[in-house]
Amino acid sequence: DGGITQSPKYLFRKEGQNVTLSCEQNLNHDAMYWYRQDPGQGLRLIYYSQIVNDFQKGDIAEGYSVSREKKESFPLTVTSAQKNPTAFYLCASSIRDSLGLMNTEAFFGQGTRLTVV
Amino acid sequence: AQSVAQPEDQVNVAEGNPLTVKCTYSVSGNPYLFWYVQYPNRGLQFLLKYITGDNLVKGSYGFEAEFNKSQTSFHLKKPSALVSDSALYFCAVREGAGGYNKLIFGAGTRLAVHP
Repeated sequence: DGGITQSPKYLFRKEGQNVTLSCEQNLNHDAMYWYRQDPGQGLRLIYYSQIVNDFQKGDIAEGYSVSREKKESFPLTVTSAQKNPTAFYLCASSIRDSLGLMNTEAFFGQGTRLTVV
Repeated sequence: AQSVAQPEDQVNVAEGNPLTVKCTYSVSGNPYLFWYVQYPNRGLQFLLKYITGDNLVKGSYGFEAEFNKSQTSFHLKKPSALVSDSALYFCAVREGAGGYNKLIFGAGTRLAVHP
């Protein structure tokens, strides 16, 4: 079955640690995204990538880093510089429309819940 | 910048009654609007989208949405609510140019359908 897989489902981080959240897709999508979800705030964009070896900062990129070495994979590292990392993290992918049309929906993974202990 | 607003934190409706979840938008140019649903501790599922054409868009699970340009609204509707429709609903708009674009989400509306 095609889809997006996020792992782990639950992750616990100690203060000062870096942790990496995995996101893999087999939909052959060029574009991938990372969102953070906090109660009452909806989804906020952390980073996005439209093509391999290229990515852009979203609205709340500070304290996070990403890489896009393969089309299928877009891991997110939550660094120790992120002061309030406890949240639900969602990865998504979509077709990249090189013509600039924006009629493509995004497909989401099941999320990773990160908790600082 | 493009944005969407969902004015209601929660909507309560009795099973079998019609439901409406509201969304208003602010965009420059043509709006590309989407509705997603989220069940507890899960990712988002796509329901429907408006690109161009008919103002009434039909989507998954019996949901539909009405695009109203004069009121800059894109309300989600269903003629007869089910208890299983209880979830968190997000309105979203595409933003960007030149092939680099992203989805901007509203804060979400929690729908509670009571038996």
